[in-house]
Amino acid sequence: AQKITQTQPGMFVQEKEAVTLDCTYDTSDQSYGLFWYKQPSSGEMIFLIYQGSYDEQNATEGRYSLNFQKARKSANLVISASQLGDSAMYFCAMREGKNTGNQFYFGTGTSLTVIP
Amino acid sequence: NAGVTQTPKFQVLKTGQSMTLQCAQDMNHEYMSWYRQDPGMGLRLIHYSVGAGITDQGEVPNGYNVSRSTTEDFPLRLLSAAPSQTSVYFCASSYGQGFEKLFFGSGTQLSVL
Repeated sequence: AQKITQTQPGMFVQEKEAVTLDCTYDTSDQSYGLFWYKQPSSGEMIFLIYQGSYDEQNATEGRYSLNFQKARKSANLVISASQLGDSAMYFCAMREGKNTGNQFYFGTGTSLTVIP
Repeated sequence: NAGVTQTPKFQVLKTGQSMTLQCAQDMNHEYMSWYRQDPGMGLRLIHYSVGAGITDQGEVPNGYNVSRSTTEDFPLRLLSAAPSQTSVYFCASSYGQGFEKLFFGSGTQLSVL
């Protein structure tokens, strides 16, 4: 079974609009971390936001927020006021606990295009 | 602020050749890992290490070897390159405790002809 599922291969959003990128995860651990990374066309991996499984508040970092729904096992990324520079691949990732090797698991990514 | 340094950036190999991708970090991270990125498949874990002298296999370890003789270095060896190993390779590291984020190297684009 996939640990991280991103069902949107490609998304389009109008500049200045908000967009939600979907991510669901699968784990039996009670303690885990969820991450989003951005990969622009230049190729580097840029950390965006983190949510711990015990965090009660949704994480926010500037224009990025993580809509964490634990019961649904979803960790959607919301980008508000999209900018042209937001065009990139976005990867959702999960890190499980030490009992499972502290490994990171990545989804297949969503390609976001911001339209002027 | 070097972070994670990965070399080379580009490499072309012939089938059957061997090579080593270098990875070094200067953040005293316990955890280091190698991923390959292929179109439509995201990042897949090849091997990882939770400390010097300790390595383990990830999702796609076949055809690759690793060693971790120091905290700083985590080289990835391709024993006998195959066209199926054409990919972009990323080295990444993090603190070993808790749910710390991964810091990535800049990637290596490898083509095997």
